[in-house]
Amino acid sequence: ETGVTQTPRHLVMGMTNKKSLKCEQHLGHNAMYWYKQSAKKPLELMFVYNFKEQTENNSVPSRFSPECPNSSHLFLHLHTLQPEDSALYLCASSQDYRRQYFGPGTRLTVT
Amino acid sequence: ELKVEQNPLFLSMQEGKNYTIYCNYSTTSDRLYWYRQDPGKSLESLFVLLSNGAVKQEGRLMASLDTKARLSTLHITAAVHDLSATYFCAVDIVKTSGSRLTFGEGTQLTVNP
Repeated sequence: ETGVTQTPRHLVMGMTNKKSLKCEQHLGHNAMYWYKQSAKKPLELMFVYNFKEQTENNSVPSRFSPECPNSSHLFLHLHTLQPEDSALYLCASSQDYRRQYFGPGTRLTVT
Repeated sequence: ELKVEQNPLFLSMQEGKNYTIYCNYSTTSDRLYWYRQDPGKSLESLFVLLSNGAVKQEGRLMASLDTKARLSTLHITAAVHDLSATYFCAVDIVKTSGSRLTFGEGTQLTVNP
């Protein structure tokens, strides 16, 4: 599946670092999403963007900062993370309310 | 708050056997999805169920939806090793700005020879 790509695929960062995750969708969709998948927990919706506008912030700490410059690109800026933020971060896109297509994910480790 | 519960969370079965995974959810939903995830990989969409009584089948997997009972099932027929993966159900609450998926915890399926 190459419709939704994510980079990097793996990231190790210290608690004082600043890094960004990138997601790009090639499907012409108008909605994009960030999810967090932690060990032993269900996938959690973090942010929703529709036509570049953030429509949902699911009580995510401010150390996670999303950015959506256009309908095809979505970023997640990370700063002063905690070890419990280590997880698989998945990006998805959809056309309106239709099926979401997921990217391969970024495996983040915070040391 | 919408809650989605799957059971079992872990399932070990022999090849050739049949089994069912259950997904219960707590509030009215617009649609229900089943996804598959292989270790270290992303989610692959298997089925979308839109209405009460909907049944979808693909190979050895069959999914059904009972909206009155708020229950979906994923039935595995004559399991093969290739079906080993984690299976998630996800309930969708549709808004004009996009969908809102709430996932179950996942069922980790291992099919043994």
